[in-house]
Amino acid sequence: KAGVTQTPRYLIKTRGQQVTLSCSPISGHRSVSWYQQTPGQGLQFLFEYFSETQRNKGNFPGRFSGRQFSNSRSEMNVSTLELGDSALYLCASLEIPGQGYEQYFGPGTRLTVT
Amino acid sequence: SQQGEEDPQALSIQEGENATMNCSYKTSINNLQWYRQNSGRGLVHLILIRSNEREKHSGRLRVTLDTSKKSSSLLITASRAADTASYFCATDTTSGTYKYIFGTGTRLKVLA
Repeated sequence: KAGVTQTPRYLIKTRGQQVTLSCSPISGHRSVSWYQQTPGQGLQFLFEYFSETQRNKGNFPGRFSGRQFSNSRSEMNVSTLELGDSALYLCASLEIPGQGYEQYFGPGTRLTVT
Repeated sequence: SQQGEEDPQALSIQEGENATMNCSYKTSINNLQWYRQNSGRGLVHLILIRSNEREKHSGRLRVTLDTSKKSSSLLITASRAADTASYFCATDTTSGTYKYIFGTGTRLKVLA
């Protein structure tokens, strides 16, 4: 099976702009989670989707949003970008959450906000 | 604060030596996973251990889990330079929220 794919891999944006990141999970996986990784804060959970429903959300402002489509692909959007949003955004998929399945990560999208 | 805390934060060893990393967590878990990350890239899944398991092996990796102490350890035997990476533990809590919480990571450097 193909792994988790994320697009784009690299992105440079200006403060105030918005950005949309995409994640395609492993075929058959229905849960997609997003994480933000920064040197100072480590890996922080953003949100998790399962069957097109957001089931969990981390402690991030409302500028961070996401959605999941019927084919399990997911997008996350960040509006009104701030310098502090510069980070590696990682997407992870697993078959069914809470059942002991392994969670697999994509290569990430490196977002730089200038 | 993070659910998981790895210890040590950084570790430097010679090739061929064993490396041990520890992870402590705060709440009850369904399972715990260990990941490796090379220099700002995506995370590579290493091993999953369920809450009813005490030890698991995969190649040169050995993971233990002590739910009474809320801790886990990852042992890499006969380390290689290619093992140089950051290692994270992630816990899937039983709170019903089905999200994984990551520790702060251990930066391992294996010297050739």
